[in-house]
Amino acid sequence: QITLKESGPTLVEPTQTLTLTCSFSGFSLTTAGVGVGWIRQPPGKALEWVALIYWDDDKRYSPSLKNRLSITKDTSRNLVILTVTNVDPMDTATYYCGHRNPWDSYYDHWGQGTLVTVSS
Amino acid sequence: EIVMTQSPATLSLSPGERATLSCRASQSFSDNLAWYQQKPGQAPRLLIYAASTRATGTPARFSGSGSGTEFTLTISSLQSEDFAVYYCQQYYNWPLNFGPGTRIDIK
Repeated sequence: QITLKESGPTLVEPTQTLTLTCSFSGFSLTTAGVGVGWIRQPPGKALEWVALIYWDDDKRYSPSLKNRLSITKDTSRNLVILTVTNVDPMDTATYYCGHRNPWDSYYDHWGQGTLVTVSS
Repeated sequence: EIVMTQSPATLSLSPGERATLSCRASQSFSDNLAWYQQKPGQAPRLLIYAASTRATGTPARFSGSGSGTEFTLTISSLQSEDFAVYYCQQYYNWPLNFGPGTRIDIK
């Protein structure tokens, strides 16, 4: 059974760095084709794809956020970490992590999400 | 970058009625499209992938079709649990953009 869970701060001040952790079980991020991605959703708005890391450490980022993003993995602890630098109130959102289907880039399992508010 | 649009923004229907949701892509691709359902306070749930393949657990009343730039999600007979927001997502190229969503409300 695949499960994912996001964790991180609920409140971050503008210009600070946001670090979010996705802990997962039921699959290995060393298996060919597997990936874990981040998707965010501002309150009352649509989903926005953010980043993805593959089993082979290939990484993909949203072009609009790329300069502020970093995604890494810790395969021994089944973790994926997303870092967003220089946050702005526009980064206020629920952040979800998702399991990329091994054969294609849709998300067949999602975490429950974690709400991050950027405010002073 | 492929831009996804969805119409209508809101659909007001009664239980038992048929729902037809449209998703349009700014560039053509084969069938690299997924549909997700999201209920208030919940994470999205995968319904359809490869434009027309139901994910595990998706009821048969949900069907997907289309290719190129025009895709459709059809719910043959709305049940109470189907009133939610539906998003399409292309996974043909980067970034993996989602559409703005269609909300199905109870009429």
